[in-house]
Amino acid sequence: ETGVTQSPTHLIKTRGQQVTLRCSSQSGHNTVSWYQQALGQGPQFIFQYYREEENGRGNFPPRFSGLQFPNYSSELNVNALELDDSALYLCASHAWDTIYFGEGSWLTVV
Amino acid sequence: ILNVEQSPQSLHVQEGDSTNFTCSFPSSNFYALHWYRWETAKSPEALFVMTLNGDEKKKGRISATLNTKEGYSYLYIKGSQPEDSATYLCAFRDNYGQNFVFGPGTRLSVLP
Repeated sequence: ETGVTQSPTHLIKTRGQQVTLRCSSQSGHNTVSWYQQALGQGPQFIFQYYREEENGRGNFPPRFSGLQFPNYSSELNVNALELDDSALYLCASHAWDTIYFGEGSWLTVV
Repeated sequence: ILNVEQSPQSLHVQEGDSTNFTCSFPSSNFYALHWYRWETAKSPEALFVMTLNGDEKKKGRISATLNTKEGYSYLYIKGSQPEDSATYLCAFRDNYGQNFVFGPGTRLSVLP
C-alpha cells in the first residue's frame, strides 16, 4: 500500500479524443511526477509538479499537460490522442529519497 | 539526455539459482541510484536507495552494489524463488533536479 491512488485503472479512447487521468498522492508529498510506460520499456518521465507549478518536463509534446491542486492531487491531460499514446501511465509522489507509485492507469487508444 | 541501461533485458532461471543483473548510468553528477521491483498488476516497490560509491545494501536474499566512478550497479538475488519473478528497475538521479531517469528494466522469471 503506497498511499498513491490513480483513476481510472483502465480506459479505452478513440484516436483524436482527449483523456484526463487523476492521481491522489500521499499526504505531505508536495511533488508529483507522471511517467508513461509503453510495452517493453521502462517508465519515461512526462513532467513533474511541485507546489502546483510544473518544474520539470520530459520529451513529450505540449498536448500532454497537467495540473496539481492545493491538496497536491494531480491530473494528466492528453489531447488529440494518438495510437502510440497507448501505455500505462504512472503517477508518483516524492519524499526526498523515495518515490511512491500508484498502480497506474492503462490507456488504450484505438 | 541521460541514458540509463539495464542488462540483460530478460532472463529465466531455475528455482534455487542465484542471479545478477546490471544497471549502467552516467558517472558524472551522481546523486542517487534506486532499485525497484515491479510485479505484474502492482505498484513498483522500492528495494534500495544507494548514494555512496562502494555502497553495498542487502534485503533478505537480495543485495546490491554501487560503483559511481564507472557508473554501474549490480543487483544480486541468491537462491531465486518463484515469488522473485518481476521486473527490476533501476532509476538514476543526478544532482541537478528531482527527476529520476529509469532504465528499461530486467524481466526475471524464476521457474519452479
